[in-house]
Amino acid sequence: DVKVTQSSRYLVKRTGEKVFLECVQDMDHENMFWYRQDPGLGLRLIYFSYDVKMKEKGDIPEGYSVSREKKERFSLILESASTNQTSMYLCASGGGRLYGYTFGSGTRLTVV
Amino acid sequence: QKEVEQNSGPLSVPEGAIASLNCTYSDRGSQSFFWYRQYSGKSPELIMFIYSNGDKEDGRFTAQLNKASQYVSLLIRDSQPSDSATYLCAVNGGSNYKLTFGKGTLLTVNP
Repeated sequence: DVKVTQSSRYLVKRTGEKVFLECVQDMDHENMFWYRQDPGLGLRLIYFSYDVKMKEKGDIPEGYSVSREKKERFSLILESASTNQTSMYLCASGGGRLYGYTFGSGTRLTVV
Repeated sequence: QKEVEQNSGPLSVPEGAIASLNCTYSDRGSQSFFWYRQYSGKSPELIMFIYSNGDKEDGRFTAQLNKASQYVSLLIRDSQPSDSATYLCAVNGGSNYKLTFGKGTLLTVNP
C-alpha cells in the first residue's frame, strides 16, 4: 500500500513563528499536494508539485510556500504563522489522472 | 471554475437501509471519478473509483456514473453504523492530474 507520512499529528505554534510541515511518500509518485481542511469549507488546495523542484500554486497559496528537493518529500512552510492558519493540513500523493490520491494522516496545527 | 457539488446533508438512514450519495460536476471533459470516506478527525480514504458510464460494484458499495448528465453517485447497501462518515466526491479533469473535491456529505447510520 502507498504510504504517505506526515511528520506531526498535532502541532502548536506561536504567531510569527516559521513552521515546517513535512510529508514523505514511498511509492515514487510524481504528484504531491498540500491541502487545508476547515469545517464548512471542505478541502482547499494550497500548493502542488508534479516533479522535483517544480511547484504550482493552488487556490489559497497566500502565506505559504513549499519545497520539493527530492521526489519523495514535499514540505509546506508557513513563513510567519498567523491564527487564521489554524487548521488541519493534509498532504496527498498521486500517480496520475486515473489514480486517486493517497492522503497522509494529517497535521492539526494550532497557532496561538 | 471547475465545480463539484454535493448535498452537505446530514443524510440519516437506519441500519440495513441503502444510503444514496450524489454528486454533480461541471467539467464535461472529466475522465475519472472517486469517492473518499472521511471519519471524524481522520484523513480521507479512497473507497471507490469509476471511469466508464454505468455501475461498478465492490462489496456493499456501488458507484454509478452518467457522463451525459454529469452525475456520479455512491450507493451503500446494508448500511452499518460504521459507515457513518463524511463522503467526498472527487473528479479528475481530462487535461491535468489535479482532483477537484466536493465539500462532502455527512452520512449517519442509526442503529
